[in-house]
Amino acid sequence: EAQVTQNPRYLITVTGKKLTVTCSQNMNHEYMSWYRQDPGLGLRQIYYSMNVEVTDKGDVPEGYKVSRKEKRNFPLILESPSPNQTSLYFCASRETHGTEAFFGQGTRLTVV
Amino acid sequence: RKEVEQDPGPFNVPEGATVAFNCTYSNSASQSFFWYRQDCRKEPKLLMSVYSSGNEDGRFTAQLNRASQYISLLIRDSKLSDSATYLCVVNESGGYNKLIFGAGTRLAVHP
Repeated sequence: EAQVTQNPRYLITVTGKKLTVTCSQNMNHEYMSWYRQDPGLGLRQIYYSMNVEVTDKGDVPEGYKVSRKEKRNFPLILESPSPNQTSLYFCASRETHGTEAFFGQGTRLTVV
Repeated sequence: RKEVEQDPGPFNVPEGATVAFNCTYSNSASQSFFWYRQDCRKEPKLLMSVYSSGNEDGRFTAQLNRASQYISLLIRDSKLSDSATYLCVVNESGGYNKLIFGAGTRLAVHP
């Protein structure tokens, strides 16, 4: 089954404690992205990757890091989480430009 | 001005009603357009792509007006199961071809 898998689904953490949210896709897609979704703001892109070892900042990259060492994986790293990073996070992949994006099930992160 | 703007709703309609959602986008060079559906706290899923000539998928009809930079979604004979948030999505041209998401329009269909 074609899918994008994120883990964990839910996470409560404390300010400053480094965390990683994993994302994996089994569709051999070139493009992968991370978004955060906050009430009234819609989905905002954090980082994106057009291929292995190629990553770039989206609209709200501050406080986040990513890596793309393999085509299928695109982890999101929060080196020192802060409460303003409390949000619903989605990973997405798509084959190429102009095509449908497939989303992971989301990670609800709370930073206290 | 937001890059993609939608009426946030909510639209509260009875079963069987016809409801229309509108969306405007600011980048005239945008190339591809989509409607996604998002259920509460779930991931967005593609509802339909939007083609220049307009397209229909069962009870759903999407229209694109490039001159006015306007996209619409029409739902006929609404079902309870149509209750969700509908996201208007625009694919920019050039570079990464970023997807720009509207904040969504919430639809609640009641018996």
